[in-house]
Amino acid sequence: DGGITQSPKYLFRKEGQNVTLSCEQNLNHDAMYWYRQDPGQGLRLIYYSQIVNDFQKGDIAEGYSVSREKKESFPLTVTSAQKNPTAFYLCASQDPGTGAYGYTFGSGTRLTVV
Amino acid sequence: RKEVEQDPGPFNVPEGATVAFNCTYSNSASQSFFWYRQDCRKEPKLLMSVYSSGNEDGRFTAQLNRASQYISLLIRDSKLSDSATYLCVVNLSSNTGKLIFGQGTTLQVKP
Repeated sequence: DGGITQSPKYLFRKEGQNVTLSCEQNLNHDAMYWYRQDPGQGLRLIYYSQIVNDFQKGDIAEGYSVSREKKESFPLTVTSAQKNPTAFYLCASQDPGTGAYGYTFGSGTRLTVV
Repeated sequence: RKEVEQDPGPFNVPEGATVAFNCTYSNSASQSFFWYRQDCRKEPKLLMSVYSSGNEDGRFTAQLNRASQYISLLIRDSKLSDSATYLCVVNLSSNTGKLIFGQGTTLQVKP
Protein backbone atom coordinates (compact mmCIF):
# COMPACT_ATOMS: atom_id res chain seq x y z
CA ASP A 1 0.00 0.00 0.00
CA GLY A 2 1.19 3.51 -0.79
CA GLY A 3 1.68 5.91 2.03
CA ILE A 4 3.87 8.33 3.88
CA THR A 5 6.02 7.15 6.79
CA GLN A 6 7.53 9.26 9.53
CA SER A 7 10.08 8.02 12.01
CA PRO A 8 10.69 7.88 14.83
CA LYS A 9 7.26 8.21 16.44
CA TYR A 10 8.80 9.69 19.60
CA LEU A 11 12.13 11.48 19.87
CA PHE A 12 13.91 12.98 22.84
CA ARG A 13 16.56 15.62 22.34
CA LYS A 14 19.07 17.00 24.78
CA GLU A 15 19.77 20.71 24.86
CA GLY A 16 22.25 21.69 22.15
CA GLN A 17 21.76 18.59 20.01
CA ASN A 18 20.74 18.40 16.38
CA VAL A 19 18.20 15.73 15.53
CA THR A 20 16.82 14.54 12.18
CA LEU A 21 13.24 13.47 11.56
CA SER A 22 12.64 11.09 8.69
CA CYS A 23 9.83 11.36 6.13
CA GLU A 24 9.49 8.85 3.29
CA GLN A 25 6.65 8.49 0.77
CA ASN A 26 5.96 5.91 -1.93
CA LEU A 27 3.03 7.78 -3.45
CA ASN A 28 5.15 9.28 -6.24
CA HIS A 29 4.10 12.74 -5.07
CA ASP A 30 6.14 15.72 -6.20
CA ALA A 31 5.39 18.09 -3.33
CA MET A 32 6.29 17.51 0.31
CA TYR A 33 5.81 19.65 3.41
CA TRP A 34 6.86 19.89 7.04
CA TYR A 35 4.53 21.38 9.66
CA ARG A 36 4.81 21.89 13.37
CA GLN A 37 1.85 21.69 15.74
CA ASP A 38 1.91 22.95 19.31
CA PRO A 39 -0.77 21.97 21.86
CA GLY A 40 -4.09 23.64 21.13
CA GLN A 41 -2.73 25.36 18.06
CA GLY A 42 -2.96 25.01 14.33
CA LEU A 43 -0.31 23.71 11.97
CA ARG A 44 2.53 26.05 11.03
CA LEU A 45 4.60 25.52 7.89
CA ILE A 46 8.33 24.99 8.39
CA TYR A 47 9.64 24.07 4.93
CA TYR A 48 8.25 22.73 1.69
CA SER A 49 9.55 21.25 -1.54
CA GLN A 50 7.69 21.13 -4.83
CA ILE A 51 10.37 19.24 -6.73
CA VAL A 52 13.55 17.28 -6.12
CA ASN A 53 16.62 19.38 -5.27
CA ASP A 54 14.50 22.43 -4.50
CA PHE A 55 12.87 23.61 -1.29
CA GLN A 56 11.47 26.80 0.18
CA LYS A 57 11.20 28.27 3.66
CA GLY A 58 7.82 28.36 5.28
CA ASP A 59 6.61 30.67 8.02
CA ILE A 60 8.82 29.34 10.84
CA ALA A 61 12.01 28.02 9.16
CA GLU A 62 14.50 29.45 11.67
CA GLY A 63 16.37 26.69 13.49
CA TYR A 64 15.39 24.01 10.96
CA SER A 65 16.98 22.62 7.80
CA VAL A 66 15.85 20.19 5.10
CA SER A 67 17.10 18.39 2.01
CA ARG A 68 15.30 16.88 -0.98
CA GLU A 69 17.83 14.68 -2.76
CA LYS A 70 15.26 12.04 -3.70
CA LYS A 71 11.60 12.36 -4.61
CA GLU A 72 10.65 9.88 -1.90
CA SER A 73 12.48 11.51 0.99
CA PHE A 74 12.27 14.88 2.76
CA PRO A 75 14.15 14.74 6.10
CA LEU A 76 13.91 17.60 8.59
CA THR A 77 16.80 18.51 10.91
CA VAL A 78 15.99 20.38 14.09
CA THR A 79 19.15 22.26 14.98
CA SER A 80 20.37 23.58 18.31
CA ALA A 81 19.39 27.04 17.06
CA GLN A 82 15.73 26.12 17.45
CA LYS A 83 15.02 27.39 20.96
CA ASN A 84 11.69 25.72 21.57
CA PRO A 85 11.62 22.50 19.57
CA THR A 86 9.18 20.50 21.70
CA ALA A 87 6.20 19.92 19.40
CA PHE A 88 4.36 17.46 17.15
CA TYR A 89 5.98 17.40 13.69
CA LEU A 90 3.93 16.41 10.68
CA CYS A 91 5.16 15.60 7.19
CA ALA A 92 2.78 15.69 4.23
CA SER A 93 2.86 15.01 0.52
CA GLN A 94 0.66 16.23 -2.28
CA ASP A 95 0.01 15.49 -5.92
CA PRO A 96 -0.14 17.52 -7.92
CA GLY A 97 1.58 20.28 -5.99
CA THR A 98 -1.06 22.85 -6.77
CA GLY A 99 -3.20 22.44 -3.70
CA ALA A 100 -6.25 21.19 -5.54
CA TYR A 101 -6.30 17.81 -3.83
CA GLY A 102 -5.15 18.39 -0.28
CA TYR A 103 -2.40 16.60 1.60
CA THR A 104 -1.68 13.10 2.76
CA PHE A 105 -0.05 13.21 6.19
CA GLY A 106 2.36 10.90 7.92
CA SER A 107 1.55 9.80 11.47
CA GLY A 108 3.87 12.40 12.97
CA THR A 109 6.89 12.58 15.27
CA ARG A 110 6.64 13.90 18.84
CA LEU A 111 9.83 15.67 19.76
CA THR A 112 10.60 16.47 23.38
CA VAL A 113 13.60 18.35 24.76
CA VAL A 114 14.94 16.79 27.92
CA ARG B 1 -6.10 39.13 11.09
CA LYS B 2 -5.37 35.41 10.79
CA GLU B 3 -5.53 33.95 7.28
CA VAL B 4 -7.99 31.26 8.39
CA GLU B 5 -10.12 31.70 11.49
CA GLN B 6 -12.29 29.23 13.33
CA ASP B 7 -14.16 29.25 16.60
CA PRO B 8 -12.02 26.87 18.72
CA GLY B 9 -14.99 25.67 20.75
CA PRO B 10 -15.28 23.20 22.34
CA PHE B 11 -18.71 22.29 21.05
CA ASN B 12 -20.37 19.83 23.42
CA VAL B 13 -23.44 18.21 21.87
CA PRO B 14 -25.61 15.15 22.60
CA GLU B 15 -25.70 12.19 20.25
CA GLY B 16 -28.09 12.77 17.38
CA ALA B 17 -27.66 16.54 17.40
CA THR B 18 -26.91 18.65 14.35
CA VAL B 19 -23.85 20.86 14.71
CA ALA B 20 -22.37 23.50 12.40
CA PHE B 21 -18.83 24.83 12.25
CA ASN B 22 -17.88 28.05 10.56
CA CYS B 23 -14.64 29.31 9.14
CA THR B 24 -13.58 32.59 7.54
CA TYR B 25 -10.56 33.21 5.33
CA SER B 26 -8.85 36.48 4.59
CA ASN B 27 -7.64 36.13 1.01
CA SER B 28 -10.26 36.51 -1.68
CA ALA B 29 -7.89 34.84 -4.18
CA SER B 30 -8.05 31.53 -2.31
CA GLN B 31 -8.54 28.64 -4.69
CA SER B 32 -9.23 25.42 -2.84
CA PHE B 33 -10.94 24.59 0.43
CA PHE B 34 -11.00 21.52 2.65
CA TRP B 35 -12.17 20.20 5.97
CA TYR B 36 -9.79 17.90 7.82
CA ARG B 37 -10.48 15.84 10.92
CA GLN B 38 -7.83 15.38 13.60
CA ASP B 39 -8.20 12.91 16.44
CA CYS B 40 -6.33 13.46 19.69
CA ARG B 41 -2.56 13.01 19.21
CA LYS B 42 -3.02 11.82 15.62
CA GLU B 43 -2.35 13.26 12.20
CA PRO B 44 -5.05 15.24 10.34
CA LYS B 45 -7.04 13.29 7.77
CA LEU B 46 -8.96 14.73 4.84
CA LEU B 47 -12.69 14.74 5.59
CA MET B 48 -13.91 16.44 2.45
CA SER B 49 -13.11 19.05 -0.15
CA VAL B 50 -15.43 22.05 -0.36
CA TYR B 51 -16.85 23.03 -3.73
CA SER B 52 -18.55 26.25 -4.76
CA SER B 53 -21.86 24.50 -5.31
CA GLY B 54 -21.74 22.89 -1.89
CA ASN B 55 -21.27 19.18 -1.39
CA GLU B 56 -22.50 16.40 0.81
CA ASP B 57 -20.99 13.14 2.01
CA GLY B 58 -23.41 11.14 4.11
CA ARG B 59 -24.11 13.08 7.28
CA PHE B 60 -21.59 15.79 6.40
CA THR B 61 -22.38 18.86 4.29
CA ALA B 62 -19.82 21.50 3.32
CA GLN B 63 -20.65 24.90 1.88
CA LEU B 64 -18.59 27.76 0.49
CA ASN B 65 -19.57 31.40 0.20
CA ARG B 66 -16.88 33.16 -1.83
CA ALA B 67 -18.51 36.58 -1.55
CA SER B 68 -18.38 36.44 2.24
CA GLN B 69 -15.14 34.38 2.34
CA TYR B 70 -16.86 31.86 4.55
CA ILE B 71 -16.86 28.05 4.73
CA SER B 72 -19.12 25.85 6.81
CA LEU B 73 -19.37 22.22 7.84
CA LEU B 74 -22.66 20.72 8.99
CA ILE B 75 -22.77 17.38 10.78
CA ARG B 76 -26.19 15.77 11.11
CA ASP B 77 -27.16 13.01 13.55
CA SER B 78 -23.89 13.29 15.50
CA LYS B 79 -22.23 10.06 16.62
CA LEU B 80 -19.85 9.54 19.53
CA SER B 81 -17.19 8.71 16.93
CA ASP B 82 -17.49 12.22 15.45
CA SER B 83 -15.68 13.60 18.52
CA ALA B 84 -12.52 15.18 17.16
CA THR B 85 -11.02 18.49 16.10
CA TYR B 86 -12.15 19.78 12.71
CA LEU B 87 -9.65 21.87 10.76
CA CYS B 88 -10.64 24.39 8.11
CA VAL B 89 -7.97 24.45 5.39
CA VAL B 90 -7.43 26.85 2.50
CA ASN B 91 -5.09 26.95 -0.50
CA LEU B 92 -4.26 30.52 -1.43
CA SER B 93 -2.92 30.11 -4.95
CA SER B 94 -2.86 27.66 -7.82
CA ASN B 95 0.87 28.38 -8.21
CA THR B 96 1.74 26.66 -4.98
CA GLY B 97 0.25 23.80 -3.07
CA LYS B 98 0.74 25.37 0.35
CA LEU B 99 -2.28 24.91 2.56
CA ILE B 100 -3.17 27.25 5.42
CA PHE B 101 -4.74 25.57 8.44
CA GLY B 102 -7.15 27.08 10.90
CA GLN B 103 -6.51 26.28 14.55
CA GLY B 104 -9.41 23.85 14.57
CA THR B 105 -12.80 23.49 16.25
CA THR B 106 -13.14 20.78 18.88
CA LEU B 107 -16.31 18.69 18.94
CA GLN B 108 -17.28 16.46 21.84
CA VAL B 109 -20.35 14.30 21.29
CA LYS B 110 -21.82 12.99 24.52
CA PRO B 111 -24.14 10.01 25.04
